[in-house]
Amino acid sequence: NAGVTQTPKFQVLKTGQSMTLQCAQDMNHEYMSWYRQDPGMGLRLIHYSVGAGITDQGEVPNGYNVSRSTTEDFPLRLLSAAPSQTSVYFCASSYSVTTEAFFGQGTRLTVV
Amino acid sequence: GEDVEQSLFLSVREGDSSVINCTYTDSSSTYLYWYKQEPGAGLQLLTYIFSNMDMKQDQRLTVLLNKKDKHLSLRIADTQTGDSAIYFCAESIRSGGYNKLIFGAGTRLAVHP
Repeated sequence: NAGVTQTPKFQVLKTGQSMTLQCAQDMNHEYMSWYRQDPGMGLRLIHYSVGAGITDQGEVPNGYNVSRSTTEDFPLRLLSAAPSQTSVYFCASSYSVTTEAFFGQGTRLTVV
Repeated sequence: GEDVEQSLFLSVREGDSSVINCTYTDSSSTYLYWYKQEPGAGLQLLTYIFSNMDMKQDQRLTVLLNKKDKHLSLRIADTQTGDSAIYFCAESIRSGGYNKLIFGAGTRLAVHP
């Protein structure tokens, strides 16, 4: 059981480049979300999804897009990378609104 | 508003008890969680407490909730070097059709011999 898988683990981008962070879960969870982790700030919610075809914005959505075409996958797209998007990104999934959230291993992104 | 606060650093001697504290602001929280993050890894759920409980014990872990003061604590008995990690407090808040998690900044626990 792989749980929540994020790729890549590390990425360096130049300002203005675009890329997609991948997230996949094999637990048939309806709820998936993306967080970014910055020093001294905990985790902040970027976007979330309550099921295939349904997404919504979290606290810090600007500069990011998401889609949820399948239950398993929830990619996060950076449209035009900026140095302020240098962070560690975590994807999480859970079975329902009140059950445990499982986290991926994280993607460390540096924008230069 | 939604805010979760924790102290950033705690140092304890191996074998002693560790107490990590957290305060939150949203009284509508349904669940409160403690997550552990080891270096280079994702977050792992340690334990959680439902908002109508005062205490929960799970082996070496004791969670205390003071709902009146909006204060949550995690006590680790007989702290070991393997407990060195960052511990995140999080509250679960109903927002639309989703329970979103609001995280604190994390408390870095250092265990020394």
